[in-house]
Amino acid sequence: IQLTQSPSFLSASVGDRVTITCRASQGISSYLAWYQQEPGKAPKLLIYAASTLQSGVPSRFSGSGSGTEFTLTISSLQPEDFATYYCQQLNTYPLTFGGGTKVEIK
Amino acid sequence: EVQLVESGGGLVQPGGSLSLSCAASGFTFSDHYMDWVRQAPGKGLEWVGRTRNKANSYTTEYAASVKGRFTISRDDSKNSLYLQMNSLKTEDTAVYYCARDYCSGGWCYLGYWGQGSLVTVSS
Repeated sequence: IQLTQSPSFLSASVGDRVTITCRASQGISSYLAWYQQEPGKAPKLLIYAASTLQSGVPSRFSGSGSGTEFTLTISSLQPEDFATYYCQQLNTYPLTFGGGTKVEIK
Repeated sequence: EVQLVESGGGLVQPGGSLSLSCAASGFTFSDHYMDWVRQAPGKGLEWVGRTRNKANSYTTEYAASVKGRFTISRDDSKNSLYLQMNSLKTEDTAVYYCARDYCSGGWCYLGYWGQGSLVTVSS
């Protein structure tokens, strides 16, 4: 299953609302996760089951979608949110990641 | 606290072999699925494979790009995960992460990650 993230890069300001899309090549129900990766660090699980916030993740992050289209939204971008975000499907082996979306400071 | 520490990375020639280890602590290792994920320099994440837990007979899954060349194993008595990599290619150059599952509703996501170990395949 291929996952296509868009955009691959976005430039935004602190306080902006940001939305990242992940489209699957076939239906994956809600078996999708979102990860955040800061430069030089390991990825961190943000959201699982498409819309469930992992413990300790700020409530400005939210996820939605099912089937083939999913979104990650950051309601008010904070300085620590500038990172690369990846979606991952866990519906079918082999598991796959999207290509990533790099969020940079405008 | 969950801790995952990879080791064993380094420089290897094309066609060679290398074994990575991941030492786990802070949880009951035998209860959990464990994964390997890699990231080539400047590129995105690529899932490598998974070993299920004892309750699921330690079965494994692999990405097509490594199937037949890489083998994932585990030793629950040592709280350790392994990745045996054979017939290495230059495109296997990457940071390799081990990750522990976080399961919900019967599905297991990658909830905890190690810091990674760099493998460089070059002549």
